[in-house]
Formats: sequence, structure tokens, C-alpha cells
Amino acid sequence: SQQGEEDPQALSIQEGENATMNCSYKTSINNLQWYRQNSGRGLVHLILIRSNEREKHSGRLRVTLDTSKKSSSLLITASRAADTASYFCATDLSLQGGSEKLVFGKGTKLTVNP
Amino acid sequence: DTGVSQNPRHKITKRGQNVTFRCDPISEHNRLYWYRQTLGQGPEFLTYFQNEAQLEKSRLLSDRFSAERPKGSFSTLEIQRTEQGDSAMYLCASSKDRGNTYFGPGTRLTVT
Repeated sequence: SQQGEEDPQALSIQEGENATMNCSYKTSINNLQWYRQNSGRGLVHLILIRSNEREKHSGRLRVTLDTSKKSSSLLITASRAADTASYFCATDLSLQGGSEKLVFGKGTKLTVNP
Repeated sequence: DTGVSQNPRHKITKRGQNVTFRCDPISEHNRLYWYRQTLGQGPEFLTYFQNEAQLEKSRLLSDRFSAERPKGSFSTLEIQRTEQGDSAMYLCASSKDRGNTYFGPGTRLTVT
């Protein structure tokens, strides 16, 4: 089963608005990474947040992590049409889990209307 | 840092043929991953290497799939006797230890 689940599955907003996407996961993690993917293209790495961190920023991106709730959120501020893409969270399971692969959810499809 | 590269970018093959994909990771990245992605889904893990050692394989990786990373640098993924269900985007990624994991552009496989 999927470790990470993004919510919502699809989000449509107007340019200039903020977009918030959420990710929930099931087991303890070492870190969580967010990616962007334009249609038919590869994944672009956005941010890595470690299990001992609560918030990270990168430009217009803000990521939070709540390990007690096993959830993370990605906020894109002042969205642009170029932000239109699918966004995925990927969890890197903790060492206790034995597995060290990244596990992806199904993604949130964001559409930013000009 | 030239990024992760994958070749070919597109491959069309007939059912039953063998195909091989190549991945060149970011230099000095000791970990290399292969994923498969179908339309509308997130990437699914196939296998990963730490240096030249293949440390984990998914149950998705049937006997027809084999991956190698002979000198701990580039990697190849071979699919034997391809089936239509193998049609997907094959993604390679690399990282240094458990840091940022960067993906290549992918190889899109179409089995006719």
C-alpha cells in the first residue's frame, strides 16, 4: 500500500493565490521530500525536510512536517501559471523499517489559471 | 553537477523483445534508484544500489527485469521478453547517502 497520500488529488486556483497541498504517511520516517512533475517529464526536487525539522523554506515554497500527526504540507505562495504541475511527496522510511527507498503517493495535480 | 541522465529518452519495442536502459547518476552519488511510473500514478520503486551492491528489489521486479551497477557509477536496467504491461516511464534517481534524491528525465517505454 502507498506510504504517502497527497490531498487533495486535484487543486485549481487563480494566479496570485496560495496553494496548499498535504501529505500523510503511515510509518516513521527519516526524511520527506517534495517533488514537482510537469506532464510527461521527470521529477524536479523541491525540498527535503528531516524528521527532526518542523519547517523549511525555499523561495515561494514552505514545507511543514508534523511527525506526531504523520503529515506534511507544501505551501506555494503567490502562485504562477508556471506552477501548474503534479506535486508528490516521498517518504524515506526510518532505519528501523529496514527499507531505505523513497515511497511516493499519487500526487496532487495543481492547475494555476492565468 | 550535470544532473542525472538517462538514455534513451524514448523506446518503442515489439512485445517479446529485450530492451536495456542506461542511467548515469550525479557523480559522487553513492546511491542509485530505479522507479517505474504509469499515467496518473506516483513512481513505484523497483530497485536500489549503494555503490555497486544491489541492496533492495521490489516484488514488482519480476525475473524478466535485471539491473546492474558494475563499477558503482552508471547503471543499466534490462527487461527481457517485454510485455505490453511493461509500457511505462522508467525513472532513475541518485543521492549521496540519504540526502536530496535527484531524478533523471526518464525513459518512456512503449511496447507494441
